[in-house]
Amino acid sequence: ETGVTQTPRHLVMGMTNKKSLKCEQHLGHNAMYWYKQSAKKPLELMFVYSLEERVENNSVPSRFSPECPNSSHLFLHLHTLQPEDSALYLCASSQGTSGGTYEQYFGPGTRLTVT
Amino acid sequence: LAKTTQPISMDSYEGQEVNITCSHNNIATNDYITWYQQFPSQGPRFIIQGYKTKVTNEVASLFIPADRKSSTLSLPRVSLSDTAVYYCLAPFGNEKLTFGTGTRLTIIP
Repeated sequence: ETGVTQTPRHLVMGMTNKKSLKCEQHLGHNAMYWYKQSAKKPLELMFVYSLEERVENNSVPSRFSPECPNSSHLFLHLHTLQPEDSALYLCASSQGTSGGTYEQYFGPGTRLTVT
Repeated sequence: LAKTTQPISMDSYEGQEVNITCSHNNIATNDYITWYQQFPSQGPRFIIQGYKTKVTNEVASLFIPADRKSSTLSLPRVSLSDTAVYYCLAPFGNEKLTFGTGTRLTIIP
């Protein structure tokens, strides 16, 4: 596999379920990101990890819990979600976190539906 | 953060050249201008980045005037597959990328 991969591609979960999204990058990058994109809205940056350390958390509710066990893997653990959390969740990676310098590579996303 | 403003939507016919202009009046000295492309239900993809004058790659050209308060993404001879949302970004220094609403480009057969 090359680039940034995400699994699953589609997920339907109830509000009481616990699930996890997985992201893997095969680019040797040091930074990884989670974004949320709701219908007809701009991408919202959720979390940023640099060298496995969380460097940014953009006021995301605690029902979203990220985990970065190493520089190639990033997880987003989900529990007790709300219907308004239904969205496309995108993972990205880059060599560094300076937005103006480093190109971000995005995965295909996970389409999440909360029922 | 250098605020960017770009048209919400544009239509063009196949085979035409498309120019999307972005204004960034408060761009800082060290900011680069970066463009991403996003197809429906996919993540954005880097297209081109520039600092001044003109940059060209196999996909697009980017024109930046001397005052750097605006930039123009030029897509030569567009096809239906160029229908997408195009984002203009000018992150300040070490700031993270902030995606706005972008320009929704629709190519008409």
